[in-house]
Amino acid sequence: QQKVQQSPESLSVPEGGMASLNCTSSDRNFQYFWWYRQHSGEGPKALMSIFSDGDKKEGRFTAHLNKASLHVSLHIRDSQPRDSALYFCAASEPHLPGTGSNRLTFGKGTKFSLIP
Amino acid sequence: EAAVTQSPRNKVAVTGGKVTLSCNQTNNHNNMYWYRQDTGHGLRLIHYSYGAGSTEKGDIPDGYKASRPSQENFSLILELATPSQTSVYFCASGDAWGGLDTLYFGAGTRLSVL
Repeated sequence: QQKVQQSPESLSVPEGGMASLNCTSSDRNFQYFWWYRQHSGEGPKALMSIFSDGDKKEGRFTAHLNKASLHVSLHIRDSQPRDSALYFCAASEPHLPGTGSNRLTFGKGTKFSLIP
Repeated sequence: EAAVTQSPRNKVAVTGGKVTLSCNQTNNHNNMYWYRQDTGHGLRLIHYSYGAGSTEKGDIPDGYKASRPSQENFSLILELATPSQTSVYFCASGDAWGGLDTLYFGAGTRLSVL
């Protein structure tokens, strides 16, 4: 079973609209969650991280984490053409106990686009 | 911003041949990673390293070897390439402790094994 599951697979909204992307984990070893964004032909880039219950806002983007249900979401308001991209949810877990280092597990991604 | 450079950007290989993908980072990051990206699978971790001389297996290491000869360089080696290894490969680096490790990705290498 995929440890990090994202939904929906694809999403289209009008320019200026609101979008919600969802992510659920099945592993309680995950301690931190990330959203990465990948534009066509490029490598993914970190958008924002969240590790405390509740909301975290960065500009037009708001992440929400519910640790009890291991559910994290990303809300995009006032969608712009540059927001069209593949969005990945990623979860972080320690890979060498006692070292402080960690590894990321990514979901399959949500393809987000604007309706012309 | 952190710079991660991958080479080559595109590669065509023959089945059974040896392929080496290279990655260089200039930000003195301890951690480096190799992922592959395939439609329907997202990003999957192949190998990673937490410092020069170290390599660790990720989630899909079969058919791949990794080498970290220095802080800056991390290579992915396909000793006997197969068509199933046709994919886009991404290298990433990061350097934070305690879980807040922002990964910086390269632009990717598109590999086709014929």
